[in-house]
Amino acid sequence: GENVEQHPSTLSVQEGDSAVIKCTYSDSASNYFPWYKQELGKRPQLIIDIRSNVGEKKDQRIAVTLNKTAKHFSLHITETQPEDSAVYFCAASRDNNDMRFGAGTRLTVKP
Amino acid sequence: DTGVSQDPRHKITKRGQNVTFRCDPISEHNRLYWYRQTLGQGPEFLTYFQNEAQLEKSRLLSDRFSAERPKGSFSTLEIQRTEQGDSAMYLCASSLFGVAGNTIYFGEGSWLTVV
Repeated sequence: GENVEQHPSTLSVQEGDSAVIKCTYSDSASNYFPWYKQELGKRPQLIIDIRSNVGEKKDQRIAVTLNKTAKHFSLHITETQPEDSAVYFCAASRDNNDMRFGAGTRLTVKP
Repeated sequence: DTGVSQDPRHKITKRGQNVTFRCDPISEHNRLYWYRQTLGQGPEFLTYFQNEAQLEKSRLLSDRFSAERPKGSFSTLEIQRTEQGDSAMYLCASSLFGVAGNTIYFGEGSWLTVV
């Protein structure tokens, strides 16, 4: 089955700086790669996703890149703000079947 | 449409007791997923349904766990003879499979503490 690894496990940045979180996956058949943000005690919420037919997707300060050959994808957050502080999870699946999640990255944005 | 709802939100039970969680997906969503999450970890896949059919179960799901979705709408997850290692948050999610760009939406989770 799919195995997703995520790095780093913790990330601390100054407000205004960029943050990058990286994930690798094992199943070359995976074609859907979402990113979720989870605040303490709350549900994971989708912030951006990408499908295997595109290499990059942007939504305001957030972007995701996908390298199918290397089987890795990354989340980029620019101009970070304190409210970006949360745990971020990457995930991979084939057609939204048994989606597998990474272990998460705790992002802290220091004012 | 009020999103995915789960009940109860918190449950404390004694070891050896049975517990049942309920999930009501977003209406018209045909897929429903169960995940388990412990502190500091990502959601761990347990099982998922398409309509009333259970399409996959994780090998990590012991025979003490059973999930149903009898009418293709709400689902229940039952844990029999609970153990302390079952303490976790149980997350339900749903999606509308077959529609381009379908997204998996999570509920708020059901926290289980086994004492």
